[in-house]
Amino acid sequence: SQTIHQWPATLVQPVGSPLSLECTVEGTSNPNLYWYRQAAGRGLQLLFYSVGIGQISSEVPQNLSASRPQDRQFILSSKKLLLSDSGFYLCAWSGQRIPQHFGDGTRLSIL
Amino acid sequence: GENVEQHPSTLSVQEGDSAVIKCTYSDSASNYFPWYKQELGKGPQLIIDIRSNVGEKKDQRIAVTLNKTAKHFSLHITETQPEDSAVYFCAASMNDMRFGAGTRLTVKP
Repeated sequence: SQTIHQWPATLVQPVGSPLSLECTVEGTSNPNLYWYRQAAGRGLQLLFYSVGIGQISSEVPQNLSASRPQDRQFILSSKKLLLSDSGFYLCAWSGQRIPQHFGDGTRLSIL
Repeated sequence: GENVEQHPSTLSVQEGDSAVIKCTYSDSASNYFPWYKQELGKGPQLIIDIRSNVGEKKDQRIAVTLNKTAKHFSLHITETQPEDSAVYFCAASMNDMRFGAGTRLTVKP
C-alpha cells in the first residue's frame, strides 16, 4: 500500500534561517506531488506541485522554493525564513491531477 | 478560477444527532467534489467524494449530495459520535483543487 512521510513533525526556527522540509512517498511510482500551507482556521493554500522529477510549478509568489530530486521525494526550502512563513505545511500525493493523500504535516514556528 | 465557500465554520451537536456541512462553488466546470476530515495534528484524510454525474453518494453514516444547478454540495453525518469531532474540508475541482475554509465539528457526549 502507498504511504506518505513528512518530517519533521514540528520545527522552530529563527527569522533569517534556512529551511528544508522533506516528503517521501512509498508504494507508488511517478506520483503527482504537492506542498500546501494551512493557516490557523483557514483552508489549504497550494504552494507547489510537481508532475515529475525536476518539474515544479509554483502557485503563488513567495519566499519558498520546492525541488523534486527523485521520483518520490519532494522538498520545500527557503534560504531565509520570514515571520510570515509560520504555519502548518502539508505534503500530498496523487496518481492524477487532484491531490488525494496527505501527510501528517509539519508545524513550523518562526521566532 | 474556482472559489469554494463552506458553512458553518463551527458546528456543535449532541452525540447521536445529525450534522450537515454545506459548500458552494463558482466554476460550473468543476466535476469532482471530495470531503476531507482532519484530526488534531494530522493531515486531512479523504472520507468521501462525489463526481458531477452523481447526485448523491453514501458510505455508512456519511453521505454527500450534489446540486449542480445550484452549484452546492453538502456532507451529512448521521448518528454522530465523539470520534467524528474534527475539522472537515470540502473541495471542488476540475483540473485544480480549491478547498473550503473548513468546519470545526464538535460532537458532545
